Amino acid sequence: DADVTQTPRNRITKTGKRIMLECSQTKGHDRMYWYRQDPGLGLRLIYYSFDVKDINKGEISDGYSVSRQAQAKFSLSLESAIPNQTALYFCATSDTGEINEQFFGPGTRLTVL
Amino acid sequence: GQNIDQPTEMTATEGAIVQINCTYQTSGFNGLFWYQQHAGEAPTFLSYNVLDGLEEKGRFSSFLSRSKGYSYLLLKELQMKDSASYLCAALDSNYQLIWGAGTKLIIKP
Repeated sequence: DADVTQTPRNRITKTGKRIMLECSQTKGHDRMYWYRQDPGLGLRLIYYSFDVKDINKGEISDGYSVSRQAQAKFSLSLESAIPNQTALYFCATSDTGEINEQFFGPGTRLTVL
Repeated sequence: GQNIDQPTEMTATEGAIVQINCTYQTSGFNGLFWYQQHAGEAPTFLSYNVLDGLEEKGRFSSFLSRSKGYSYLLLKELQMKDSASYLCAALDSNYQLIWGAGTKLIIKP
């Protein structure tokens, strides 16, 4: 079984709709992250959480919100989806060790029409 | 501002050697990562450097010069399965990863 899972894997929605992307991990890591990836651009951090009670905005948090329901679960919501939020979304986790290597989920391809 | 620069695309021949360069400017520095990403898939960890010098791991090696803000990833004995994007990322003073846009490596027979 995969250590970091994301649901759904693909989603097509319409402008103005609220949607939620979910991430679960079995690695036992405290730190979790949400990124988006657009063609020709690097991964951009949306939100991150270093533990259940710690939520921080990343580089591009506008239009997004998150919920850390448990150590293993971190959800990303788009309150009112718009077409420029069409992207590939990745969840990642990391341990609190020195190296901070991040482990990625398989990604969610979101299309907003 | 914080910035990572790497070439957009490179082409190499199966069996050959290729070097992918990365330069970085970050507020503070706590290490440099290389990840591999096949099309439509998640990035996977390749290497981490925090001290100057070369780290070798099988066919892949990664080099870091902190004074120059420079790193490279060296891939030897290229195989067709090495066709992928290679992402350079620097860990800043807040332990946040700053990502480059990635280098798409095309391997030709």
